[in-house]
Amino acid sequence: DSGVTQTPKHLITATGQRVTLRCSPRSGDLSVYWYQQSLDQGLQFLIHYYNGEERAKGNILERFSAQQFPDLHSELNLSSLELGDSALYFCASSVGSGESSYEQYFGPGTRLTVT
Amino acid sequence: GQNIDQPTEMTATEGAIVQINCTYQTSGFNGLFWYQQHAGEAPTFLSYNVLDGLEEKGRFSSFLSRSKGYSYLLLKELQMKDSASYLCAVRDDKIIFGKGTRLHILP
Repeated sequence: DSGVTQTPKHLITATGQRVTLRCSPRSGDLSVYWYQQSLDQGLQFLIHYYNGEERAKGNILERFSAQQFPDLHSELNLSSLELGDSALYFCASSVGSGESSYEQYFGPGTRLTVT
Repeated sequence: GQNIDQPTEMTATEGAIVQINCTYQTSGFNGLFWYQQHAGEAPTFLSYNVLDGLEEKGRFSSFLSRSKGYSYLLLKELQMKDSASYLCAVRDDKIIFGKGTRLHILP
């Protein structure tokens, strides 16, 4: 158990819908990272927040947005869902945000299925 | 562009040694990571290299050559539980993962 929690574990929804994935980092970790993993693309970095502020953006679609709240939990919002958004979504956390913080702890993931 | 290459699949025998290679081309470099991921589970951290050379951690070692854009993960005394995907990742201002190497261990 990494100490990172994600809810829900599974989500099945229809095309065009909107969903929210939630992540709680390990106690004391200030950074939260979101990743998408699909079979053909591997693990894709989406976005990084540190202490409530966006720090880096990866291949995140405009239909997707995220935020980190004052209690450090984070939410990833996915809207206008398409079949291709079906994937495993991981959240990871780390203590800092820069070179001094290298180990990321991954949550168990949310499996999203869009039908 | 940003690119990380590693073999798609490898097979090795229980008790043997296997080396998984990773080459990268990124605009910046702030360290290279190796993660292990069992099917359907979250990745778990194995190693981090930021300077050239070999880092040893029990049965696992990781090597880095920044001038060659090259790293490898060495797994010794292979066990059946080592059957998993091994992900190479490079950090510049963000973290870029390779597609992973699926390692099959034969008894």
